[in-house]
Amino acid sequence: KAGVTQTPRYLIKTRGQQVTLSCSPISGHRSVSWYQQTPGQGLQFLFEYFSETQRNKGNFPGRFSGRQFSNSRSEMNVSTLELGDSALYLCASSAGDQETQYFGPGTRLLVL
Amino acid sequence: EDQVTQSPEALRLQEGESSSLNCSYTVSGLRGLFWYRQDPGKGPEFLFTLYSAGEEKEKERLKATLTKKESFLHITAPKPEDSATYLCAVQGGSEKLVFGKGTKLTVNP
Repeated sequence: KAGVTQTPRYLIKTRGQQVTLSCSPISGHRSVSWYQQTPGQGLQFLFEYFSETQRNKGNFPGRFSGRQFSNSRSEMNVSTLELGDSALYLCASSAGDQETQYFGPGTRLLVL
Repeated sequence: EDQVTQSPEALRLQEGESSSLNCSYTVSGLRGLFWYRQDPGKGPEFLFTLYSAGEEKEKERLKATLTKKESFLHITAPKPEDSATYLCAVQGGSEKLVFGKGTKLTVNP
């Protein structure tokens, strides 16, 4: 079974731009969660989608948004990028509640 | 608010020198405690899920245990390939995964 895939793997953007990241979950998984990982803060939860609905949201500003499509693929968008948004963005999928989350390789975003 | 604290932040071991990593947590209604391993530049790799106090799980040189306040990841006779950052996370009533900052393990040959 193929794992979680994320595209692109690396991105360089400048302040003020916006970016869209994509995540394809493991086949059959309906829940997709997004995390931001930085050296200082560690892994922080952004949001979770299940069957195209946002089910949970972390403490991030409204510049961070996401969506999920009917095939469970998910995208996250960050608008008006700031230098502090530089991070590894990780996507994880699970089969449902209380099920293990499996992570993708991440997208490394650098904001200049 | 759910919280996870991992200690130590970093640990250096000689090959074959057994040790334990600690994960202390506070959570409202524990649904699960998860251990992951993360190599540099990669996403976390799932190791174990523990659901209730007293539960133990093993995989090769790793053994995870759980009490009502903490979890331990015991590493027996580690090898250099066990070098990685080990992450602990809890899932409570909010269903969000809350991660600790990890323990960076280095095993020297």
